[in-house]
Amino acid sequence: IAGITQAPTSQILAAGRRMTLRCTQDMRHNAMYWYRQDLGLGLRLIHYSNTAGTTGKGEVPDGYSVSRANTDDFPLTLASAVPSQTSVYFCASSDPGLGLDEQFFGPGTRLTVL
Amino acid sequence: GENVEQHPSTLSVQEGDSAVIKCTYSDSASNYFPWYKQELGKRPQLIIDIRSNVGEKKDQRIAVTLNKTAKHFSLHITETQPEDSAVYFCAASIRSGGYQKVTFGTGTKLQVIP
Repeated sequence: IAGITQAPTSQILAAGRRMTLRCTQDMRHNAMYWYRQDLGLGLRLIHYSNTAGTTGKGEVPDGYSVSRANTDDFPLTLASAVPSQTSVYFCASSDPGLGLDEQFFGPGTRLTVL
Repeated sequence: GENVEQHPSTLSVQEGDSAVIKCTYSDSASNYFPWYKQELGKRPQLIIDIRSNVGEKKDQRIAVTLNKTAKHFSLHITETQPEDSAVYFCAASIRSGGYQKVTFGTGTKLQVIP
């Protein structure tokens, strides 16, 4: 793995179904983030984690949950998907503790909820 | 919370001309201002950033200026080329408890006409 990866690349999901988006980084960054990107709204933070074992809510957390069992993985779960969660989801990582303020983004997951 | 406004939302320039994108932010505690370029279907990638203790930074054809008093920052691209066509996002960031609280602008779609 080089950098940060996400899976799946795209997914079509029926409303009401549960879905987990996966994110893995190999840079040993402490901080990880989940954003959603919608046309005209830019990138909005869903949840973040500043280190393994801790998570926090971002700007638009409702309907989403995250976990951070280890440094490398930061999955995002939609417990019961709704059409308004149709979006492109980006995972990112950084390490402000090492002075690395730049956020590195994964390739994104395009999710469609019908 | 932080609010970042970005203008214009779309910008068309002739190849070789300059392009300027402007952003304003509201939280005077923001201290890191990255600019990301996102090509169609790709992930956002950092192109230049500036910290609050610097007024201007340049990297080849791109430059960023920051006016802390007015809470304005701008991206300048000179001698534009067709490969500069993309969506550009500004952001304002604060380090908070081991992670970065980043607020993105809504993006500027730049089209460089050959």
